[in-house]
Amino acid sequence: DTGVSQDPRHKITKRGQNVTFRCDPISEHNRLYWYRQTLGQGPEFLTYFQNEAQLEKSRLLSDRFSAERPKGSFSTLEIQRTEQGDSAMYLCASSKGTGEQPQHFGDGTRLSIL
Amino acid sequence: EDQVTQSPEALRLQEGESSSLNCSYTVSGLRGLFWYRQDPGKGPEFLFTLYSAGEEKEKERLKATLTKKESFLHITAPKPEDSATYLCAVQRGGSYIPTFGRGTSLIVHP
Repeated sequence: DTGVSQDPRHKITKRGQNVTFRCDPISEHNRLYWYRQTLGQGPEFLTYFQNEAQLEKSRLLSDRFSAERPKGSFSTLEIQRTEQGDSAMYLCASSKGTGEQPQHFGDGTRLSIL
Repeated sequence: EDQVTQSPEALRLQEGESSSLNCSYTVSGLRGLFWYRQDPGKGPEFLFTLYSAGEEKEKERLKATLTKKESFLHITAPKPEDSATYLCAVQRGGSYIPTFGRGTSLIVHP
């Protein structure tokens, strides 16, 4: 069990650029989540996959954000035309697909917008 | 809308000084309450799941309890390595998306 892996750990980019993050979940977990966390706040839900199906997206999620999980394995989160307010830690978590299973988090990608 | 309020926002303890963190919640049909520990620059690390009022779980110096309105994380004789932010999250029945609180930042001084 290698845990949830996220890449890159840090990303610095200029405003207006596109960025893409990758998440590799724990292998037997079929649920995958993306969260955003800013300083002093708890993780804020962005979107959720069960296998390859994207089942829910936050109403607060801008259409500049898109996520995929091809073949139900790794996932990518893309942010287009980045803005200053996108600066945050982006966390990925995975869980087993039965009942109220706890989520296991990666160490996140810290995004800084110049 | 589900709500989770954690208090205090920050807590400073001396090594060995026991205390409790509070997580008050409002959720329709609680199916699970989760406690996580988060170190700076890291993702949250799972500690406990509580499912029903009266339930208790323990791990080393930590003990989590649950009532119908709140959960407590009791820390007995803390050590400096217990310093971290502790997050509480609730999940309602029929949803697989937890709602997180803002966390309590704990610092334990040697």
